[in-house]
Amino acid sequence: DAGVIQSPRHEVTEMGQEVTLRCKPISGHDYLFWYRQTMMRGLELLIYFNNNVPIDDSGMPEDRFSAKMPNASFSTLKIQPSEPRDSAVYFCASSQEIREKLFFGSGTQLSVL
Amino acid sequence: AQKITQTQPGMFVQEKEAVTLDCTYDTSDPSYGLFWYKQPSSGEMIFLIYQGSYDQQNATEGRYSLNFQKARKSANLVISASQLGDSAMYFCAMSLLYSGSARQLTFGSGTQLTVLP
Repeated sequence: DAGVIQSPRHEVTEMGQEVTLRCKPISGHDYLFWYRQTMMRGLELLIYFNNNVPIDDSGMPEDRFSAKMPNASFSTLKIQPSEPRDSAVYFCASSQEIREKLFFGSGTQLSVL
Repeated sequence: AQKITQTQPGMFVQEKEAVTLDCTYDTSDPSYGLFWYKQPSSGEMIFLIYQGSYDQQNATEGRYSLNFQKARKSANLVISASQLGDSAMYFCAMSLLYSGSARQLTFGSGTQLTVLP
């Protein structure tokens, strides 16, 4: 299996622009998670899905953030409009069960100028 | 609410020696799982080892072992025979086994391990 695939690997954008991060989970995994990692706050869970349905989005910072999972093999995290404080590494992860180990993607390093 | 504490922001170890990375946790729930993840400089998060709160024996995975002391609420990671490739950030995490929410998965702040040649 190729593992969790995220794209792009790096994204540099200007404040106010729309940013879309993409994720392909491991086939057969029912849970998909979006995390954000910063030096100040560590790893934060933004939102997670079970069988393509958003379960808990209470970690999404603001209405500027949105996430979708149109099918079992694809999810997006969108920031519109982006701000410099959104600069972070965004991870997608998947697992078979909610309590099992997570398989992480390589992350997207987002820089908003 | 549960909490994970990693008190060592940075650690150094000589190649081929063993090293222990500390992790303490706090929860009132008797059913939980403890994880260690490795994050090398390339950025990805790699699962290393898991210990359940009811497991009788300490978990081992190759050169990794988890020194689980339930009464002390500690779950230290032991890496034997350190290699240069072990240089990375290491995160301890805890999950409540009977919670229906993924939000209960808590990560520590991490320990940066540097293996010296």
